[in-house]
Amino acid sequence: EIVLTQSPATLSLSPGERATLSCRVSQSISYYLAWYQQKPGQAPRLLIYDASNRATGIPARFSGSGSGTDFTLTISSLEPEDFAVYYCQQRANWPITFGPGTRVDIK
Amino acid sequence: QVQLVESGGGVVQPGRSLRLSCAASGFALSNSAIHWVRQAPGKGLEWVAATSHDGNKENYADSVKGRFTIARDDSKDTLYLQMISLRGEDTAVYFCARDVSTKPDHYYGMDVWGQGTTVTVSS
Repeated sequence: EIVLTQSPATLSLSPGERATLSCRVSQSISYYLAWYQQKPGQAPRLLIYDASNRATGIPARFSGSGSGTDFTLTISSLEPEDFAVYYCQQRANWPITFGPGTRVDIK
Repeated sequence: QVQLVESGGGVVQPGRSLRLSCAASGFALSNSAIHWVRQAPGKGLEWVAATSHDGNKENYADSVKGRFTIARDDSKDTLYLQMISLRGEDTAVYFCARDVSTKPDHYYGMDVWGQGTTVTVSS
C-alpha cells in the first residue's frame, strides 16, 4: 500500500498570506495525485487532480505541482473560506490512499 | 443538478449487516466510476471501495475485503454498499463519490460527493 505523508500537520496563517502544503509519497506515483478541501460537517471538495489540474470551478489561487514522490498544494492568497483541512490522495495503485491531512487555521 | 444522496446508515450491533444506498441524479450512473469513502469520527478520509465505469470491476480496501460488496442498479441510478460482519472500527460517515474521469478504467479524483450517511457499530 502506498503511504502518503502530509506536512505540516497544522498551518496557522492570516488571510492574504500564501499557504504551501506538502504531500510526500512512499513510492513514485508519476503525477497521479489529487488534493481535496474539507470543512467541518461537509463532504470533501476536489481541488486538483493529476497533480496540477484544477477541478471545475476551483479558483486560480489554488495550484498544484510536483511529480514522483513530492507534491505541493499552494494557495496564493488565503481567503477566509480557505481555512479548512486539506487531503492529498494517490490513484497510482490500488488501494487508493489518502494522506492524514493538513489543517489550515487562522492565526 | 448533479448530485449523490446516501441513505441506509444507522446503529447496528457488531457482526450484523447493513446496506447503504447511493442515489445519483443529474447524470447517468452507468457512465461513471463511483467510490465509497469513509471517515471515522474526528479522523481523516479512508477510501473503502470503487466500481468501474462499466460496473464490471470492483476494488476494495484490505480492511473491508470479503466483508463489503458494491452492487449497482443502473436502471435506478443507484449504487449499494452491502456490509456484513460489521466491526466497531467500521463506525464512520460513509460517502459515495463520483470519479471525475469519463475514461473507462481511469480514476482521476472524486468530484461529486454525497452528504454522507452515518454508520455506528455498537452493542
